[in-house]
Amino acid sequence: GNSVTQMEGPVTLSEEAFLTINCTYTATGYPSLFWYVQYPGEGLQLLLKATKADDKGSNKGFEATYRKETTSFHLEKGSVQVSDSAVYFCALSGGSYIPTFGRGTSLIVHP
Amino acid sequence: NAGVTQTPKFRVLKTGQSMTLLCAQDMNHEYMYWYRQDPGMGLRLIHYSVGEGTTAKGEVPDGYNVSRLKKQNFLLGLESAAPSQTSVYFCASLPLGQGGTYEQYFGPGTRLTVT
Repeated sequence: GNSVTQMEGPVTLSEEAFLTINCTYTATGYPSLFWYVQYPGEGLQLLLKATKADDKGSNKGFEATYRKETTSFHLEKGSVQVSDSAVYFCALSGGSYIPTFGRGTSLIVHP
Repeated sequence: NAGVTQTPKFRVLKTGQSMTLLCAQDMNHEYMYWYRQDPGMGLRLIHYSVGEGTTAKGEVPDGYNVSRLKKQNFLLGLESAAPSQTSVYFCASLPLGQGGTYEQYFGPGTRLTVT
């Protein structure tokens, strides 16, 4: 079956530091890949997505590239802000309409 | 567009009581889902629906029932609440089409405590 593995947190950074959150997946076929963000006390919302190999999703300074050869979709941001503190979820959708989520990675950014 | 809304936002139940959580979406989405989120466990799928009048079990369905009598609403019921059902519950919806390339839309959550 499908699975998503993402690095455990919390990830603690200082403001303006570089962020990488690793995500690897196992799936048959050609899934779509997503990063969702959950701010404190809120529901998940889409951050970015990529629907085919080598696509790069980007939003709010975050980027992730769909790497089929390494089955990865790592999230990066060049300079994090305190307001980026949240939980980040990597997910895939393999066409069955039952998405598979990673366990989430908490990011804490200090001023 | 209100998107996905959930009622109530917070609730405290005593063991053995029952309650219904309501999820509503105004985007005409075909698919709807109920998840629970517990610390360190990520999101776990309770039940889902692929259309009006249909429901199916997810990963952790025991102790819950659901109904989707109208396309825009998805109800989650707890018949006899237990402390293990203390959690944050999220509803989500997804539009039909294009082999899973669309993202889910989530509600703001319901925080339930069972004492």
